[in-house]
Amino acid sequence: DTAVSQTPKYLVTQMGNDKSIKCEQNLGHDTMYWYKQDSKKFLKIMFSYNNKELIINETVPNRFSPKSPDKAHLNLHINSLELGDSAVYFCASSQGQTDTQYFGPGTRLTVL
Amino acid sequence: QKEVEQDPGPLSVPEGAIVSLNCTYSNSAFQYFMWYRQYSRKGPELLMYTYSSGNKEDGRFTAQVDKSSKYISLFIRDSQPSDSATYLCAMSEWMGGGATNKLIFGTGTLLAVQP
Repeated sequence: DTAVSQTPKYLVTQMGNDKSIKCEQNLGHDTMYWYKQDSKKFLKIMFSYNNKELIINETVPNRFSPKSPDKAHLNLHINSLELGDSAVYFCASSQGQTDTQYFGPGTRLTVL
Repeated sequence: QKEVEQDPGPLSVPEGAIVSLNCTYSNSAFQYFMWYRQYSRKGPELLMYTYSSGNKEDGRFTAQVDKSSKYISLFIRDSQPSDSATYLCAMSEWMGGGATNKLIFGTGTLLAVQP
């Protein structure tokens, strides 16, 4: 009974490709997030959606486009992948916009 | 200067030791303070959550917040090898109305508890 799940777990791709990461939560939460964790373990928020509406959009290249088809899903599409996009991407969710955030297991993206 | 500073470690202690993990921050508007534990190749999991200043205890874990010094700590008593992980502090401002809880994380401290 996974709470926040992400697919794929690992993603290895070439520079210039387009890829998507999917996230699903079965906690009934209404707010979902995407975070990026770099090689030094620094975790930084990228986007936040509340009830399918974009709430937070940090300074992220517009090659990154989140999409929330419904409250339980938040996908991340990345165009024209670059070497610097290599990182672990975490999805998270919370009940309400100020409540505790629960994280998924992460997607390890490697761009060659 | 980063908004949240955390000693990256690594910190290595013998089993049974008391561990002290710390973060300092510069934004006086932070009101919510959290500690997350992250095992290798896993997502962060919430360990402790405190609001404003004071102490909070949960089993072997105690979280302290000193807002006047902009300093938070996590103490682990009787540390176990299973406590070996990266510990991330996180904090956010009080956002009234419909604003979203934007967490600012420290860089994490890698802890190894030796059996």
